[in-house]
Amino acid sequence: EAGVTQSPTHLIKTRGQQATLRCSPISGHTSVYWYQQALGLGLQFLLWYDEGEERNRGNFPPRFSGRQFPNYSSELNVNALELEDSALYLCASSRGARIVDGYTFGSGTRLTVV
Amino acid sequence: AQRVTQPEKLLSVFKGAPVELKCNYSYSGSPELFWYVQYSRQRLQLLLRHISRESIKGFTADLNKGETSFHLKKPFAQEEDSAMYYCALSGSRNYGGSQGNLIFGKGTKLSVKP
Repeated sequence: EAGVTQSPTHLIKTRGQQATLRCSPISGHTSVYWYQQALGLGLQFLLWYDEGEERNRGNFPPRFSGRQFPNYSSELNVNALELEDSALYLCASSRGARIVDGYTFGSGTRLTVV
Repeated sequence: AQRVTQPEKLLSVFKGAPVELKCNYSYSGSPELFWYVQYSRQRLQLLLRHISRESIKGFTADLNKGETSFHLKKPFAQEEDSAMYYCALSGSRNYGGSQGNLIFGKGTKLSVKP
């Protein structure tokens, strides 16, 4: 069974640009979660999608947005990049919105803003 | 507000010594709690869930609702246990049942010395 896959692995952008990160969940998983892992801050919840709908959003500005496609893959968009957006962005998936079984995480996309 | 606190950034023990990684939470409903582990150069993975009352790799964790804690314990640490450990809470209150995104603590780095 293929795990959660994220692309690209690394991304370097200039301040003010836009970044697009992609995530493919495990087959059969319909919920996708995005987290930001910045140095010293742990995992900060960004967004949760289930069945194509945004279910919850963390305490991030509107320039962080995303969507979930009919095949349950997801995209995270970060507009007007700032230096402090540099972080590892993790995607996770779960079977439906039921997380009692926990999430499965991808390896992440390392975003560097220069 | 839902919150997970891991008071120790770093815990260093010798091989064979007991280990206790602390986790306290703030949540007004019935919590669902998890421990995740990230070994060097590997993706974040689920270690155990309170609901299953399981023991994985010799680790156990008991939910103490009175003290709002979910400490992770192992009687005899091994060098291969060295990793980053994250405690996580399900923010399920608004979504019913066992749904909802996970709130993570900032993590504790466990170092087991030979």
